[in-house]
Amino acid sequence: DTGVSQDPRHKITKRGQNVTFRCDPISEHNRLYWYRQTLGQGPEFLTYFQNEAQLEKSRLLSDRFSAERPKGSFSTLEIQRTEQGDSAMYLCASSQLEKQFFGPGTRLTVL
Amino acid sequence: EDKVVQSPLSLVVHEGDTVTLNCSYEVTNFRSLLWYKQEKKAPTFLFMLTSSGIEKKSGRLSSILDKKELFSILNITATQTGDSAVYLCAVSPGGGADGLTFGKGTHLIIQP
Repeated sequence: DTGVSQDPRHKITKRGQNVTFRCDPISEHNRLYWYRQTLGQGPEFLTYFQNEAQLEKSRLLSDRFSAERPKGSFSTLEIQRTEQGDSAMYLCASSQLEKQFFGPGTRLTVL
Repeated sequence: EDKVVQSPLSLVVHEGDTVTLNCSYEVTNFRSLLWYKQEKKAPTFLFMLTSSGIEKKSGRLSSILDKKELFSILNITATQTGDSAVYLCAVSPGGGADGLTFGKGTHLIIQP
């Protein structure tokens, strides 16, 4: 069990730029989740995949956000035209059933 | 809208004390309640509770769920400085939805 990995761990970008994050889940897990966490808050659910199908999207996921999991393994989360309000920790989690295991997160800072 | 409320939001105790962290929830669908520990990085899994009244235990940590009153508690006995962390409570909704709804967390500080 190598755990969930995320890349990059930190990203600093200027407002208006596009950014893409990658998540590699635990290999036998068919479910993959993206969350966003800001200071002093718990993680907020963004979206969920079962294999390659995106089954659930939160209202938090604006049109500038898109997520893919093309082969049912790794996933990418892209944010277009970043805004300062997008600054947060982006967490990925994976599971086989209900118990979700989290990766180390990508900390995004939008200047 | 689903809601998970944790209390207290922060707590400072001395090493060796026993602490009780609270989590109440109001959700449309309920499948399970999960506790996580977060130390400046990713949340790490502690417990998953699905049935009322059955205590889950791991070392000095234990947790129990009351589905009638819609709350759970996390107990930590004989606290150590390494227990200092944010403890997050989350509800898994079921009903075809899988994203967890988290509370804000309890920031626990154990003083030597």
